[in-house]
Amino acid sequence: EVQLVESGGGLVQPGRSLKLSCAASGFTYSNYVMAWVRQAPTKGLEWVASISTGGGNTYYRDSVKGRFTISRDNAKNTLYLQIDSLRSEDTATYYCAKAVDQSIYNNPLFDYWGQGVMVTVSS
Amino acid sequence: DIQMTQSPASLSASLGETVTIECLASEDIYSNLAWYQQKPGKSPQLLIYDASSLQDGVPSRFSGSESGTQYSLEINSLQSEDAATYFCQQHHDYPPTFGGGTKLELK
Repeated sequence: EVQLVESGGGLVQPGRSLKLSCAASGFTYSNYVMAWVRQAPTKGLEWVASISTGGGNTYYRDSVKGRFTISRDNAKNTLYLQIDSLRSEDTATYYCAKAVDQSIYNNPLFDYWGQGVMVTVSS
Repeated sequence: DIQMTQSPASLSASLGETVTIECLASEDIYSNLAWYQQKPGKSPQLLIYDASSLQDGVPSRFSGSESGTQYSLEINSLQSEDAATYFCQQHHDYPPTFGGGTKLELK
């Protein structure tokens, strides 16, 4: 059974940093593209970033480029999202998602999602 | 970025009825369209991909279709457990983009 378990969220002041983690199990983690998708309270879904199987290629949405860093540790089956210079508009539930494909270059489709971790940015 | 316009934003239907949710892509996405179901407090679940392919384990009362850049999700014989918010997502190109969601309420 595929399981994705996020952690690391919380209440953070604007301008501070936070690192989210996602522990994966139930599949060969190193074989799949992984991603982060967020959802602001009562809002829709917004893709944030994706990372290739080896970690050497990453994609980000424009609004987070330079502030967010996606990374992975295939030895630990863990995905990360480093969030710097937090803004109020980053307040959201952050989901870790497994991509269907093994290539980051096409088909950004997600078949399994974690339960999500809440990040609240407020002074 | 490819814009996904989803409608309606909400709808109410009775048990056993059939409902249709639509998503309009701002450009050709070559059938690379997925539908997700999200129940309150839960994460999204993949229902359909490639416009009409049913994800494993999803009941056959869910179906997807397309006409040009217009994509539809049909739910037949509504069950109580179908009350949820449904999102479309284009998986043709980066950045993957989602529709605004349709909240389905059961009367």
